[in-house]
Amino acid sequence: GIQVEQSPPDLILQEGANSTLRCNFSDSVNNLQWFHQNPWGQLINLFYIPSGTKQNGRLSATTVATERYSLLYISSSQTTDSGVYFCAGPSYNNNDMRFGAGTRLTVKP
Amino acid sequence: DSGVTQTPKHLITATGQRVTLRCSPRSGDLSVYWYQQSLDQGLQFLIQYYNGEERAKGNILERFSAQQFPDLHSELNLSSLELGDSALYFCASSVRVKGEQFFGPGTRLTVL
Repeated sequence: GIQVEQSPPDLILQEGANSTLRCNFSDSVNNLQWFHQNPWGQLINLFYIPSGTKQNGRLSATTVATERYSLLYISSSQTTDSGVYFCAGPSYNNNDMRFGAGTRLTVKP
Repeated sequence: DSGVTQTPKHLITATGQRVTLRCSPRSGDLSVYWYQQSLDQGLQFLIQYYNGEERAKGNILERFSAQQFPDLHSELNLSSLELGDSALYFCASSVRVKGEQFFGPGTRLTVL
């Protein structure tokens, strides 16, 4: 199966700062998704982004499928952005959804 | 609220026991996925069903089994439980075989 690497593993920001999270895949993927796991354990869909760029408020994501990576941008971070961010996707050949280890984001007031 | 429901929210049981976790997908979704999240293994895909049929299998132990019923709800059965099975178990659903997945709130299983 494919390998998913996320960086950085941990990120500490001051409220109002911007950040970029990266996700690399070892093989071509489709149906790439970004999730936010809040401190209560809930997994929240952020983006479904097989390719291209999408924006939702202060968050945006870009996937370059041909180069096997995706980026998540968080602008003007808020304390409520804290939590773990995961990227995930299945390979083209099967439905085995692989998650990265996540980026743990802490936003300090 | 994603529209995916899971019961129970919490489950505490003893080693050697058997438990059943239940999932109801979003209205209109035909595909159901099960995942396990543990501290040491991260989020791992277990199994997928689409319209009642198994479509993909991940790191699911032989002690675990699942099925999807005609009304599309799914159950994950965990037997001969071990301490290491303590984890958060998520169910997700999507419309198609491959598509955007929406996650339920999870069932936190503690094996004592």
